[in-house]
Amino acid sequence: ELKVEQNPLFLSMQEGKNYTIYCNYSTTSDRLYWYRQDPGKSLESLFVLLSNGAVKQEGRLMASLDTKARLSTLHITAAVHDLSATYFCAVGSNFGNEKLTFGTGTRLTIIP
Amino acid sequence: DTGVSQNPRHKITKRGQNVTFRCDPISEHNRLYWYRQTLGQGPEFLTYFQNEAQLEKSRLLSDRFSAERPKGSFSTLEIQRTEQGDSAMYLCASSLALGQVNIQYFGAGTRLSVL
Repeated sequence: ELKVEQNPLFLSMQEGKNYTIYCNYSTTSDRLYWYRQDPGKSLESLFVLLSNGAVKQEGRLMASLDTKARLSTLHITAAVHDLSATYFCAVGSNFGNEKLTFGTGTRLTIIP
Repeated sequence: DTGVSQNPRHKITKRGQNVTFRCDPISEHNRLYWYRQTLGQGPEFLTYFQNEAQLEKSRLLSDRFSAERPKGSFSTLEIQRTEQGDSAMYLCASSLALGQVNIQYFGAGTRLSVL
């Protein structure tokens, strides 16, 4: 059974600082997704990572994938308040249906 | 196109009652997924449709749960004889698989409270 673990579960950081969220998964997959969820809102797709060594960047967020280590990271650079949200990584199934197995999420709070 | 739409947004019911939720996917998307999310957890897969065919069901989906997608358009999720443990956010997502990329677009969810 595929397991996806994120850490930390909670992260409180000051504006302007850098930090990294880690996502480990237990079985082979070459499709890794990052989503953002604001309180009471739906999940918003941030990144799709499809191969070993893939790196994607959007604004202050950068995601990477190491399929050999079964590890993805989401790096936040010079955090600003509007990045406060819960971030989920999700691993895609290898069996064609592409169901997603999600991590438990990292609740990020940016403090002014 | 306004994205994935779910109705109702909130449902409060008494234990033992039946409830039905509706999901309208993005119009050209052929895949539709249902997930359940409880407080402080990530979404958990329930079931998946490709067009009108239900191709996979999670073991989380007991026989009290049934999902349909007639004509491959909107989908309904029905829970019979609700239990307090069914209280959760039910999320619908749709996608149009293009090669390896299969980004799922989520609706805002239906929050179910079973009293």
